Amino acid sequence: NAGVTQTPKFQVLKTGQSMTLQCAQDMNHEYMSWYRQDPGMGLRLIHYSVGAGITDQGEVPNGYNVSRSTTEDFPLRLLSAAPSQTSVYFCASSYSRGGAGAYEQYFGPGTRLTVT
Amino acid sequence: AQSVTQLGSHVSVSEGALVLLRCNYSSSVPPYLFWYVQYPNQGLQLLLKYTSAATLVKGINGFEAEFKKSETSFHLTKPSAHMSDAAEYFCALDPQVGANNLFFGTGTRLTVIP
Repeated sequence: NAGVTQTPKFQVLKTGQSMTLQCAQDMNHEYMSWYRQDPGMGLRLIHYSVGAGITDQGEVPNGYNVSRSTTEDFPLRLLSAAPSQTSVYFCASSYSRGGAGAYEQYFGPGTRLTVT
Repeated sequence: AQSVTQLGSHVSVSEGALVLLRCNYSSSVPPYLFWYVQYPNQGLQLLLKYTSAATLVKGINGFEAEFKKSETSFHLTKPSAHMSDAAEYFCALDPQVGANNLFFGTGTRLTVIP
């Protein structure tokens, strides 16, 4: 049971480049989400999904796209990277509200992204 | 609207001393509350959670927190700090409406002085 995995661990992009951050979980969790972590600001929600085929915006969605074609995977796409997107990105998953083990989110190890 | 406020971005304690990390919340409905710990260059790990059962919640590594509705607080404590407790701690709120989205405080970095 690998839990929540994220790739890559580190990435450097030039302004305007695009890339996809990968996130996968093997716990059959319905809910998955992406957060970004910036110094002094805690974690802020970018996008989330309550099941395959269903996604919605969080607090800071601009510049990011997501899709959820399977229960296991929830990739985050940066369409045209900007220096303001330099951050550490965390993926998380949990059962949906009311399910077994509800209310605990499991976090991946993070991807550290630098945009120059 | 919901929010989480962590008082003190940096807290230093001596090894063996009491650890107290403060968290206050604002929520229009009774929330669920969490404390997560983040060690350097790692992801977040759940320390403990309050989900409307007992107001005093015990977590891993000797930490506990008490939910006080009248004070809208959920402070994290540990009687005796260890060097291994040095990390960043985040308080988070689930407003129990809609999806399982969490609202995080800005974090408190705990330093333990030998």
